[in-house]
Amino acid sequence: SAVISQKPSRDICQRGTSLTIQCQVDSQVTMMFWYRQQPGQSLTLIATANQGSEATYESGFVIDKFPISRPNLTFSTLTVSNMSPEDSSIYLCSVAPNMGTNYNEQFFGPGTRLTVL
Amino acid sequence: AQSVAQPEDQVNVAEGNPLTVKCTYSVSGNPYLFWYVQYPNRGLQFLLKYITGDNLVKGSYGFEAEFNKSQTSFHLKKPSALVSDSALYFCAVRDLGSGYSTLTFGKGTMLLVSP
Repeated sequence: SAVISQKPSRDICQRGTSLTIQCQVDSQVTMMFWYRQQPGQSLTLIATANQGSEATYESGFVIDKFPISRPNLTFSTLTVSNMSPEDSSIYLCSVAPNMGTNYNEQFFGPGTRLTVL
Repeated sequence: AQSVAQPEDQVNVAEGNPLTVKCTYSVSGNPYLFWYVQYPNRGLQFLLKYITGDNLVKGSYGFEAEFNKSQTSFHLKKPSALVSDSALYFCAVRDLGSGYSTLTFGKGTMLLVSP
């Protein structure tokens, strides 16, 4: 398994501002993922972030709104840009063990609870 | 496209009774199936998975799940529920038939275990 930490754990932000969420893993992993969990909803994949390449975004998510960095095999950031109240969600970082595309379970961080006023 | 259905928003069970949380899936190839649990204000914790082999999979905290290919189901079960099992449970699937694919989650089922 992998131990994942996220910063901040929660934040309250004003409309129009941006927030950068950090994800740190205790081991090197090839694949990292960012999810959004809106209130009372399931998890929706935002993007897949592999070290050394551009993040791959899912339908409905764009790089200008959710820029991602992946500078090394243990760290990633997700920025929520120009926030609106609709961005209020829990944002979760997730990793797959270093098994290339044949990975099995994913492990999740504790999440960042974002409230936009 | 792959999908997961959890038909129950909430399951209520008394402590000590058996519990079942239902999950059905749709994939084009062979499925990898997972159950995760989310406690309040916490991230998701991995419970168990089915990749291949025995249809009955045992996981953490006394939970188990049965893979049924003909019914495309992967129901989560526990013989005797605890109040501490109260949480939000997510079923998830990956479709290996299409090569690399991401994890698709069901909408979640809230399990409430009463004393």
